[in-house]
Amino acid sequence: DQQVKQNSPSLSVQEGRISILNCDYTNSMFDYFLWYKKYPAEGPTFLISISSIKDKNEDGRFTVFLNKSAKHLSLHIVPSQPGDSAVYFCAASPMDSSYKLIFGSGTRLLVRP
Amino acid sequence: GAGVSQSPRYKVAKRGQDVALRCDPISGHVSLFWYQQALGQGPEFLTYFQNEAQLDKSGLPSDRFFAERPEGSVSTLKIQRTQQEDSAVYLCASSLAQTGTGYTFGSGTRLTVV
Repeated sequence: DQQVKQNSPSLSVQEGRISILNCDYTNSMFDYFLWYKKYPAEGPTFLISISSIKDKNEDGRFTVFLNKSAKHLSLHIVPSQPGDSAVYFCAASPMDSSYKLIFGSGTRLLVRP
Repeated sequence: GAGVSQSPRYKVAKRGQDVALRCDPISGHVSLFWYQQALGQGPEFLTYFQNEAQLDKSGLPSDRFFAERPEGSVSTLKIQRTQQEDSAVYLCASSLAQTGTGYTFGSGTRLTVV
C-alpha cells in the first residue's frame, strides 16, 4: 500500500503562472516532508522541506504547505519557469526511522514558454 | 569528490547473471543509502549504512540482494542471479546527518535484465 501518493502523473502550466503539485499521505507517524526535483538521467535533488510542526515553508519561488488534519501537502511554484520542467517527488520521513524516505510516484511538470 | 558517483551508469545483464553496482559517496558523509526506482515509480528504500555498519536492510527485496561498505566509504550493491523484475534504476545517496534530510543522490545505475 502506498503511504505517499501523488495522484497527478503530469501537469502542464504556462510560463509565469502558478504550478501547484499535490501529495497525500496515510501514515500519521511521518514527521518531516520533502520535495525533490528530478531531471532525466540525473538523481533527485532536494528542493524544499517542512517539519510537521509547521504549516508553511517558503524558499524563493517555492512554497510548501502542510495540512496535517487532511494529511495533505502541496508545492507551489510561482512564477513558473521553463527550467522548472522536471519530475517532482514528494517524500516523507517516519518518526521511528528518520533516516528513511518514503517517496510518492512523482508528478511530471511541463512549463510551456 | 564533489558529488555522489555511481558506476556503471548503464548495465545490461542476462537473466541469471550476477551484477555489482558501485557507489562513491561524498567524502566525509557517514550515512549511505541505496534506493531502487522502477519505471514510473518513486525511489524505494533498500538499505542504510552508518559508516561501515549496515543498520537497516529491511528494503532489500530478497536474499539475492546484498550490500556492503567495508571501510565506511565506497559501497557495493550486489545482485545475484538477476531476474527481469530487478530491472530498475539503482540510486545511491549519502548524507552528513543520520536523518532523511540532506541527502545527496547520485545519478544512478540503470540495470536492464534481458
